Amino acid sequence: DAGVTQSPTHLIKTRGQQVTLRCSPISGHKSVSWYQQVLGQGPQFIFQYYEKEERGRGNFPDRFSARQFPNYSSELNVNALLLGDSALYLCASSPWDRGRGELFFGEGSRLTVL
Amino acid sequence: GNSVTQMEGPVTLSEEAFLTINCTYTATGYPSLFWYVQYPGEGLQLLLKATKADDKGSNKGFEATYRKETTSFHLEKGSVQVSDSAVYFCALTLYNQGGKLIFGQGTELSVKP
Repeated sequence: DAGVTQSPTHLIKTRGQQVTLRCSPISGHKSVSWYQQVLGQGPQFIFQYYEKEERGRGNFPDRFSARQFPNYSSELNVNALLLGDSALYLCASSPWDRGRGELFFGEGSRLTVL
Repeated sequence: GNSVTQMEGPVTLSEEAFLTINCTYTATGYPSLFWYVQYPGEGLQLLLKATKADDKGSNKGFEATYRKETTSFHLEKGSVQVSDSAVYFCALTLYNQGGKLIFGQGTELSVKP
């Protein structure tokens, strides 16, 4: 079975632009989470969706938004990009709604903001 | 607040050496604890977990014991291999916080032949 797939794998944007990152979870997984990993740091939680409903939101500004589609795939949108948004954006899926912490991660989308 | 602190890296060891990577946590409530590993060019993978005090998680020769009294979850392996070279992340989650994992900053391990 395919793992978590993310696209694009790499992208370069300029300050003020908008970006959309996409994630397809493992088949049968209804939960998708997004994390931001800045170089040299651990991943930071951005959002979790389960059955198309937002279940959690991390400490990120409103420029960050996400949604989950009926097929459980997800998009992360970031508006008005700042240099500090440069990071690896990780998507993770799981079959569970809460509490288990056993996530299956994709390889990430590396965003560079110039 | 809830947080995880790991020992600073990078850690460089010779093949067959003993490995310890320290991890301590702060949490309100009773967290589940995890070690994730990120091999070069790959996504994060769950290495092992423990869900309650005194539980020992183990996988691929790695072990970690959930110590509530010292709020620690140190990762150990008796004999490391070159293929263990990776970045290791300690993490916690709380039941009422859904799929949210709180990660430490990561510890890079380099094993030399």
